[in-house]
Amino acid sequence: AQSVTQLGSHVSVSEGALVLLRCNYSSSVPPYLFWYVQYPNQGLQLLLKYTSAATLVKGINGFEAEFKKSETSFHLTKPSAHMSDAAEYFCAVSVNTDKLIFGTGTRLQVFP
Amino acid sequence: DTEVTQTPKHLVMGMTNKKSLKCEQHMGHRAMYWYKQKAKKPPELMFVYSYEKLSINESVPSRFSPECPNSSLLNLHLHALQPEDSALYLCASSQDGASYEQYFGPGTRLTVT
Repeated sequence: AQSVTQLGSHVSVSEGALVLLRCNYSSSVPPYLFWYVQYPNQGLQLLLKYTSAATLVKGINGFEAEFKKSETSFHLTKPSAHMSDAAEYFCAVSVNTDKLIFGTGTRLQVFP
Repeated sequence: DTEVTQTPKHLVMGMTNKKSLKCEQHMGHRAMYWYKQKAKKPPELMFVYSYEKLSINESVPSRFSPECPNSSLLNLHLHALQPEDSALYLCASSQDGASYEQYFGPGTRLTVT
């Protein structure tokens, strides 16, 4: 069965610093991987998705993620954090079904 | 247009009330979803409709009753809820199948008193 692990429930960075949010997946077949962001009292917004076309995926708001099969990872990065990036981030996986399996989430705090 | 709309934004109901949550999308998507999200937790899947037919029910209590009147609309009928059912209820839609991303609505904040 597939699963997702997000290391670090909280990540704090200074404005302008690199953002790195970690996601590892478990799947016996090639997965489809997604990153979503959730701002307080809002729904989830898709940041980016991996569907095997390219291992480096660029998303919205300057975020990108790299699929590494050998490490079963799909970490999310952004070169320079902005105050508006403060939110909850969820990594998710789906495999040949309609179901999305979410990680437990990482809360990103950005300090001035 | 990648918008999923949900009404109402907030709902307060007693344990004996009957209410409904509504969700609408006009993207031509063939799959629609209901999720429940508690504070500081990821969304939990409740139901999936594919081509207007219920395809997944994640063992949700019968006090929650989904309905898909047509390919653009999804309802969640609520009856005899418990205080622990208080949560953010999210609707989502996708083109179809595992490789397609899901688009989420803003949610309905439900409080059961």
